[in-house]
Amino acid sequence: EVQLVESGGGLIQPGGSLRLSCAASGFTVSSNYMSWVRQAPGKGLEWVSVIYSGGSTYYADSVKGRFTISRDNSKNTLYLQMNSLRAEDTAVYYCARLESWGQGTLVTVSS
Amino acid sequence: DIQMTQSPSSLSASVGDRVTITCRASQGISNYLAWYQQEPGKVPKLLIYAASTLQSGVPSRFSGSGSGTDFTLTISSLQPEDVATYYCQKYNSAPWTFGQGTKVEIK
Repeated sequence: EVQLVESGGGLIQPGGSLRLSCAASGFTVSSNYMSWVRQAPGKGLEWVSVIYSGGSTYYADSVKGRFTISRDNSKNTLYLQMNSLRAEDTAVYYCARLESWGQGTLVTVSS
Repeated sequence: DIQMTQSPSSLSASVGDRVTITCRASQGISNYLAWYQQEPGKVPKLLIYAASTLQSGVPSRFSGSGSGTDFTLTISSLQPEDVATYYCQKYNSAPWTFGQGTKVEIK
């Protein structure tokens, strides 16, 4: 069974850093295009980043230079390193393959 | 970057009605388009990929069509459990932009 489990969210002050993790089971992360998607409270879905199976990475303009997507093939886990966090980064963060999404982890940026 | 524009932003229809949601890309994306359903308080669920391929387990009243810049999600007979927000997403190349969503309610 395919499963994605995010962790690492929480309350963080503006300017701080967090690393989100997404542990995958039932498939191989490195063989798939894996994305991070976020949803601010009461808002729509916003694509954040993708890592392709070949290792290429891409980012939304809103996070470029602050967020880094990566994966650990030995752990079959996807990561999102988030630096210089802002209030507008407050959202539920989902890791996703096209057809499979995790339950999400809430990131709240507030002083 | 390619923009994805959904319409309408919301709609209200009766049970049994045929419902159509459109998604327009500002440039051609071939058939690299997915449709998601997000019920209130739940995780988005893939309905359609490759513009017209029904994801396994999704009821056949859902269908997708289109290619290039214009795409459509159709619910052939609206059911109460279809109350949700629907999103399109392009995935031909980054950024994998979502449409702004269409909220579907029962009249």
